[in-house]
Amino acid sequence: EVQLAESGGDLVKPGGSLRLSCAGTGFTFTNAWMNWVRQAPGKGLEWVGRIKSEVDGGTTDYAAPVKGRFTISRDDSKNTVSLQMNSLKTEDAGVYFCSTGGFYLDYWGQGTLVTVSS
Amino acid sequence: EIVLTQSPDFQSVTPKERVTITCRASQSIGSSLHWYQQKPDQSPRLLIRYASQSFSGVPSRFSGSGSGTDFTLTINSLEAEDAATYYCHQSSSLPVTFGQGTRLVIK
Repeated sequence: EVQLAESGGDLVKPGGSLRLSCAGTGFTFTNAWMNWVRQAPGKGLEWVGRIKSEVDGGTTDYAAPVKGRFTISRDDSKNTVSLQMNSLKTEDAGVYFCSTGGFYLDYWGQGTLVTVSS
Repeated sequence: EIVLTQSPDFQSVTPKERVTITCRASQSIGSSLHWYQQKPDQSPRLLIRYASQSFSGVPSRFSGSGSGTDFTLTINSLEAEDAATYYCHQSSSLPVTFGQGTRLVIK
């Protein structure tokens, strides 16, 4: 059974930093493209970015609102993907989901809540 | 950026009714359109990939169709457990984008 578990969500002040992690089990993590998708309170889904598998180059892509502030990385030895978030803004608040998939997003974690407030 | 526009935004439906949700892309995306279901306080769940391919474990009452710019998610014989928000998603070009969502409420 595929399982994804996010962690690291917290309350942070505007301008602050936070690092989220996602641990994956039940699938071949090294072959998986991993995504981060967020959802502001009461709003829809917004893609944040993704990291390809190392065999596909391990490169990253980001949505415009987070490019230059957020960084996605992976540690295949630990089956984890991370999202480093810097210079956080109030509009970055919400639930952050990790998901697998290069094109369609087939499995999702339960999400972790990020609150950005002074 | 490709914009996906869903209609309707909200629909109140009765059990056993047939429901159709549409998703229109701002430019042609071939069949790179996927559908998700999200129930309150849950993570999204993949229903349909590449416009019409049902994902593993999805009930057969869910089906998808379309290509190019116009797509449809159909739920035949709606059940109470189908109360949720439904999103379309395109992976034709970066950035990947989602529709704004369609909320289904069961009468």
